[in-house]
Amino acid sequence: SAVISQKPSRDICQRGTSLTIQCQVDSQVTMMFWYRQQPGQSLTLIATANQGSEATYESGFVIDKFPISRPNLTFSTLTVSNMSPEDSSIYLCSVSSTPLGSPFYGYTFGSGTRLTVV
Amino acid sequence: GQNIDQPTEMTATEGAIVQINCTYQTSGFNGLFWYQQHAGEAPTFLSYNVLDGLEEKGRFSSFLSRSKGYSYLLLKELQMKDSASYLCAALPDSNYQLIWGAGTKLIIKP
Repeated sequence: SAVISQKPSRDICQRGTSLTIQCQVDSQVTMMFWYRQQPGQSLTLIATANQGSEATYESGFVIDKFPISRPNLTFSTLTVSNMSPEDSSIYLCSVSSTPLGSPFYGYTFGSGTRLTVV
Repeated sequence: GQNIDQPTEMTATEGAIVQINCTYQTSGFNGLFWYQQHAGEAPTFLSYNVLDGLEEKGRFSSFLSRSKGYSYLLLKELQMKDSASYLCAALPDSNYQLIWGAGTKLIIKP
């Protein structure tokens, strides 16, 4: 299955600033997903990042707040813009564990970015 | 709408067996996943069921009934390291976006 390197693992940021989170995958994948997980809660999908097109955002999330880049099939970034304490959360990227062109078989997650906004 | 229900918290004893249930209602169905998540860590894949029946992987087994919209995760010979949250997720259709349950926090006592 795919292996994801996610950076940074954690950060403490000042309100009003922006943080860019990176995910690098060791194989080409069609879709990458960005999630937010608040403490003690389940995963909330922010957006789906497709290579060569704009990301698809879920209800409640907008591109101005969470711009996403997907320059190729192995890399994506999520930026949390103009941060406020309410953005404090764990952010996770995820990909289908299936190498491009193979039958589907599950999802892999990055190790997560623990963000604290002060 | 699309919905997944699972218990919020369960407690079990080391060495025992526990069953975590999950019911789902989705517009379509392409499989049911179970993930384990330790506190402060990312979820890790446990199982994927797309056909009815029981799939066993060592101490962990997962069951699916598509007609009932029901799945369970069975953990045997519980160990303290099994204390974690267990997330149930369904794949409604082929766009690969999962619907997640809120997770079941499993507490293992000596």
